[in-house]
Amino acid sequence: SAVISQKPSRDICQRGTSLTIQCQVDSQVTMMFWYRQQPGQSLTLIATANQGSEATYESGFVIDKFPISRPNLTFSTLTVSNMSPEDSSIYLCSDPGLVDLNEQFFGPGTRLTVL
Amino acid sequence: DQQVKQNSPSLSVQEGRISILNCDYTNSMFDYFLWYKKYPAEGPTFLISISSIKDKNEDGRFTVFLNKSAKHLSLHIVPSQPGDSAVYFCAASARETSYDKVIFGPGTSLSVIP
Repeated sequence: SAVISQKPSRDICQRGTSLTIQCQVDSQVTMMFWYRQQPGQSLTLIATANQGSEATYESGFVIDKFPISRPNLTFSTLTVSNMSPEDSSIYLCSDPGLVDLNEQFFGPGTRLTVL
Repeated sequence: DQQVKQNSPSLSVQEGRISILNCDYTNSMFDYFLWYKKYPAEGPTFLISISSIKDKNEDGRFTVFLNKSAKHLSLHIVPSQPGDSAVYFCAASARETSYDKVIFGPGTSLSVIP
């Protein structure tokens, strides 16, 4: 199974600022996913990050708000831009399973609080 | 519109008894279903899955049942152990369509009481 780490594990930020979350995988993976889990809600897919191409964003999420980088096959970043309290969530990255793409491996998450 | 529903936000079960977590879905295109388990401060971990061509899949103490006509699935844990206390997410995908994304339910928090 893949081992995924995220930095930071948590942060408290001021409204209007931006935070970049890093995701590191211990093996090369073609696809990486970024999810958001708002308080009391389910995990919602933000975007799919493929190495060498632009990220694919889900409905309701835009690149200006959540720019993503994927410089290589083991690393990705998600930036939460111009934050508001509504962005307070847990942000998770994941990669597809080797046996089945749906059986994903998740990082531990980044708990973001925006004041 | 929530495509995957877990109507019980929480569940408490005595150690050694059976835990039954329920999940309903609305999209008839879903053909693959998964359960994930999440401990506090950790990411979800994959637990068990079932394809729509089956109605049951078993892995040790964990069994998932699928009722396609009712668009309902359930996860049975027997016997329940204190270490099973976690949030359980039901998830679904439509692998035979072009939109093969995993849709998660809101989760059920299971507490197994020693």
